[in-house]
Amino acid sequence: EEQLVESGGGVVQPGGSLRLSCAASGFTFEAFAMHWVRQAPGKGLEWVSLITGDGGATYYADSVKGRFTISRDNSKNSLYLQMSSLRTEDTALYYCVKRGFAYWGQGALVTVSS
Amino acid sequence: AIQMTQSPSSLSASVGDRVTITCRASQGIRNDLGWYQQKPGKAPKLLIYTASTLHTGVPSRFSGSGSGTDFTLTISSLQPEDFATYYCLQDYNYPHTFGQGTKLEIK
Repeated sequence: EEQLVESGGGVVQPGGSLRLSCAASGFTFEAFAMHWVRQAPGKGLEWVSLITGDGGATYYADSVKGRFTISRDNSKNSLYLQMSSLRTEDTALYYCVKRGFAYWGQGALVTVSS
Repeated sequence: AIQMTQSPSSLSASVGDRVTITCRASQGIRNDLGWYQQKPGKAPKLLIYTASTLHTGVPSRFSGSGSGTDFTLTISSLQPEDFATYYCLQDYNYPHTFGQGTKLEIK
């Protein structure tokens, strides 16, 4: 069974940093691009970033470009999102999503607040 | 970035009704569009990809159509479990963009 489990969420002050992780299982991780999608409390979905299967290409939403870095470790079947210069508007539930959008994790909550 | 305009933002309907939700892209996206259903406290679920292909296990009362800039999601006969929020997503180019969502409520 394909499974995605996020971790690393928490409360951080504005301007701070946080790293999210996503542990993948049940499929050949290195063969698939992976996304991060977020959802602010009570709001809609926002696509955040994608990394190709070999990690050779990355893409970002304009709202996070230059502040967030997506990466992966295929030897550990893990996806990461390094978030820096965090703003209050980055407060959201962050989902790890497999290419094709058929498989989503349960989400990791990031709260940016002083 | 491509803008996805979804309408209506909310909709009240009854069990058995036929419902249509639309998404309009600010530029042509071929058929690179998916539809998602989200219930409170849950991750979104894929319903339809490439505009009209039903994802495995999704009931046949759901259907999608469109190409280019205009797309529709139709639920032919609403069931109680269909009351949820629906989103479209373009994956034609980066950044991918979601519509604003349509909250489908019981009348």
